[in-house]
Amino acid sequence: DQQVKQNSPSLSVQEGRISILNCDYTNSMFDYFLWYKKYPAEGPTFLISISSIKDKNEDGRFTVFLNKSAKHLSLHIVPSQPGDSAVYFCAALAGGTSYGKLTFGQGTILTVHP
Amino acid sequence: NAGVTQTPKFQVLKTGQSMTLQCAQDMNHNSMYWYRQDPGMGLRLIYYSASEGTTDKGEVPNGYNVSRLNKREFSLRLESAAPSQTSVYFCASRLRQGLGENIQYFGAGTRLSVL
Repeated sequence: DQQVKQNSPSLSVQEGRISILNCDYTNSMFDYFLWYKKYPAEGPTFLISISSIKDKNEDGRFTVFLNKSAKHLSLHIVPSQPGDSAVYFCAALAGGTSYGKLTFGQGTILTVHP
Repeated sequence: NAGVTQTPKFQVLKTGQSMTLQCAQDMNHNSMYWYRQDPGMGLRLIYYSASEGTTDKGEVPNGYNVSRLNKREFSLRLESAAPSQTSVYFCASRLRQGLGENIQYFGAGTRLSVL
């Protein structure tokens, strides 16, 4: 049972435009969400996160939106740059005694064309 | 500051062989994790260690064992490798629970092929 789903395996956008990556989850116990970025032959690197007490978090060109009622989050990248081309994973965490265990989505390959 | 270091970077094994994947972090983190990444599956948790001296199973522990050797090091052992264990393995660490410290920091990965 996939508790975190990224239904778009890939996304292609033009440089300067907005990239929107989506993620859905099913477990109501998830209360913290993270986005990771991964380049080939490297480990995932943390990008941005959001707690369930918020509905939006911004960091420069990156904004994450959380819709708890829909169990949906999205990552917006504005403006998109060729260097943003990578695999993006969303991940979710249930607080309390979860010991920080993350549940990851399948990933979305973002390609930004010059 | 090296962060999370994994060795080896690449390994080819024959079915039935054993090996240990090494992971060390220099960030004084309490918790450490082992994941595997397979195409179309994202990252799945194999084992984790919430703190030094403790280990527990994750989502896909079968065929693996772990050792939290000390606060810095967390190793993953395949006793009898199978082709289904062909994957990319990532080690991660996290400072502590609470106070928003939910970010895990990952190593560069070990690419393992079992023939």
